[in-house]
Amino acid sequence: DTEVTQTPKHLVMGMTNKKSLKCEQHMGHRAMYWYKQKAKKPPELMFVYSYEKLSINESVPSRFSPECPNSSLLNLHLHALQPEDSALYLCASSHRTSTGELFFGEGSRLTVL
Amino acid sequence: AQKVTQAQTEISVVEKEDVTLDCVYETRDTTYYLFWYKQPPSGELVFLIRRNSFDEQNEISGRYSWNFQKSTSSFNFTITASQVVDSAVYFCALSSSNSGGYQKVTFGTGTKLQVIP
Repeated sequence: DTEVTQTPKHLVMGMTNKKSLKCEQHMGHRAMYWYKQKAKKPPELMFVYSYEKLSINESVPSRFSPECPNSSLLNLHLHALQPEDSALYLCASSHRTSTGELFFGEGSRLTVL
Repeated sequence: AQKVTQAQTEISVVEKEDVTLDCVYETRDTTYYLFWYKQPPSGELVFLIRRNSFDEQNEISGRYSWNFQKSTSSFNFTITASQVVDSAVYFCALSSSNSGGYQKVTFGTGTKLQVIP
């Protein structure tokens, strides 16, 4: 069983909807990540939080809004998405050092109609 | 800039055959870290191994083995006696240390392995 839990596993939304993806980990990791993965492509980094502060925003459109309420939780708020935003959204966490491996959740598969 | 190349897009083998997945990387950093991740159809990426740039010792874990060669900038992954459960997409990845306490990972494009029973 993965130690990074993502909900929901599947989400279908219209372009005018507002929805959120949630991620939770209880491994004491202080870095958390959002990745976007399109079919047959590698994961693409979107955001990184380190010690609950946004450290990296890879020029992601503002219709994606991350939030880190505490060290265990990471949210991704979605608003006015486009059909091309349909993808698998992966959350990951890592230990506070910069050299450890990433622990991934199973992802939230998003379809935008 | 860092780059990871996995030239093999898809590989099919018959069960019990050995298979090697190739990975070539580029980096200007003297200290870096190499990883292999497995992504089964369920979607979750599963960590398999990490290698530090200063440790070229090869590693074996059960049916899995890894060959790290700095001279050729390669970090190849071999599965011995493949099984159907090995069917997945495998990603090679590279990162360098930073002061921010997080990983900035460059993933290869992945190799899809299909093991046929």
